Amino acid sequence: GAVVSQHPSWVICKSGTSVKIECRSLDFQATTMFWYRQFPKQSLMLMATSNEGSKATYEQGVEKDKFLINHASLTLSTLTVTSAHPEDSSFYICSATPLAGAVYGQQYFGPGTRLTVT
Amino acid sequence: QQPVQSPQAVILREGEDAVINCSSSKALYSVHWYRQKHGEAPVFLMILLKGGEQKGHDKISASFNEKKQQSSLYLTASQLSYSGTYFCGTWRNSGGGADGLTFGKGTHLIIQP
Repeated sequence: GAVVSQHPSWVICKSGTSVKIECRSLDFQATTMFWYRQFPKQSLMLMATSNEGSKATYEQGVEKDKFLINHASLTLSTLTVTSAHPEDSSFYICSATPLAGAVYGQQYFGPGTRLTVT
Repeated sequence: QQPVQSPQAVILREGEDAVINCSSSKALYSVHWYRQKHGEAPVFLMILLKGGEQKGHDKISASFNEKKQQSSLYLTASQLSYSGTYFCGTWRNSGGGADGLTFGKGTHLIIQP
């Protein structure tokens, strides 16, 4: 149980276009989902916390107008990278905490989405 | 505040043991351990919530000290499949900003036959 999926697995887009990444909890509900990104040979960095039914909260330094997060249901959060540029190329990973669990408890990670902006 | 992981890298022969440390200057809500292989998402190993806690499965175990500021991951009789980068993640309650896991810089573990 506790599976999180992401779609797409990888995407290549041209500079200036927008890309949407979906994160779904397949067999549990999650009021809170998290978005991380990882540049090559670096650690995972928290970008934002996605809260169902309310606005996302962003890590300092992450542009909320560039990385739009929508958490429209208890099983789906989307991250839209607007006007993507080559420096946005990264591995984007989401995670989710089950409804019944403590928010600081075990998180379930999706398989990640590799974004390449040309 | 990013937890401090050590060592940065370890090279072992199959069957040898390894210890990876993760420390913070402040008490933590929880410590999460993950292993990541190149090009893949991190895989959950275990979570520790209580000071003094120790837990494990198979030949991988972890501890969380009483003050909840330091955790260690123990890999016993390492196997080739243990190779990868190990991250500790600590929960941060930012009090208004983004709450979530803050990861250490990682420990690269290479197991040689």
